[in-house]
Amino acid sequence: AQSVTQLGSHVSVSEGALVLLRCNYSSSVPPYLFWYVQYPNQGLQLLLKYTSAATLVKGINGFEAEFKKSETSFHLTKPSAHMRDAAEYFCAVSEGGGGNKLTFGTGTQLKVEL
Amino acid sequence: GAVVSQHPSRVICKSGTSVKIECRSLDFQATTMFWYRQFPKQSLMLMATSNEGSKATYEQGVEKDKFLINHASLTLSTLTVTSAHPEDSSFYICSATGGGSGNTIYFGEGSWLTVV
Repeated sequence: AQSVTQLGSHVSVSEGALVLLRCNYSSSVPPYLFWYVQYPNQGLQLLLKYTSAATLVKGINGFEAEFKKSETSFHLTKPSAHMRDAAEYFCAVSEGGGGNKLTFGTGTQLKVEL
Repeated sequence: GAVVSQHPSRVICKSGTSVKIECRSLDFQATTMFWYRQFPKQSLMLMATSNEGSKATYEQGVEKDKFLINHASLTLSTLTVTSAHPEDSSFYICSATGGGSGNTIYFGEGSWLTVV
């Protein structure tokens, strides 16, 4: 069975500050890991994905995430937050390949303040 | 990039009626489509997985006779909420994947269902 835990349902940062959204996973096989962003009343947009290649994954909008097997983590970071980054962020895990069903974390609401 | 489109984006229906939501993959063949339900300020809960030409596989606790899923072609899946009740009001999101998407899962824009 696979699961994802996102620590912190709400994260608030100042504009220009580092963004760190935490995600820990549990998987019985080598996982595929994803970060999605959801803006209000919209679907999900893929930020980045880890598929067993490079452990440091770069995504869109300046986000990146590092896969750490020893810590079973896949935290999302961005060096400098923008107001437009305010949204809900979901970490997800898939077993057995990228095309399988996703199990989502509970989400983290990112607030960016001036 | 790959695009998945849902229609309608918002729908209001009367209690007891049925409503259909469509999910289309616009530029790749979606061999597998997923349907999720999301309550306000909560995560996505997988309802069912559908493979083209096969019956959908429902998650535990999801009523297959209430949430009818059809995936008759490689570009279209439909979710029909039958005999809708106010508690069925929710945000429904589909996602799709296939060889043409590089096995990446792409999400639709979601559909707001309000049952009055």
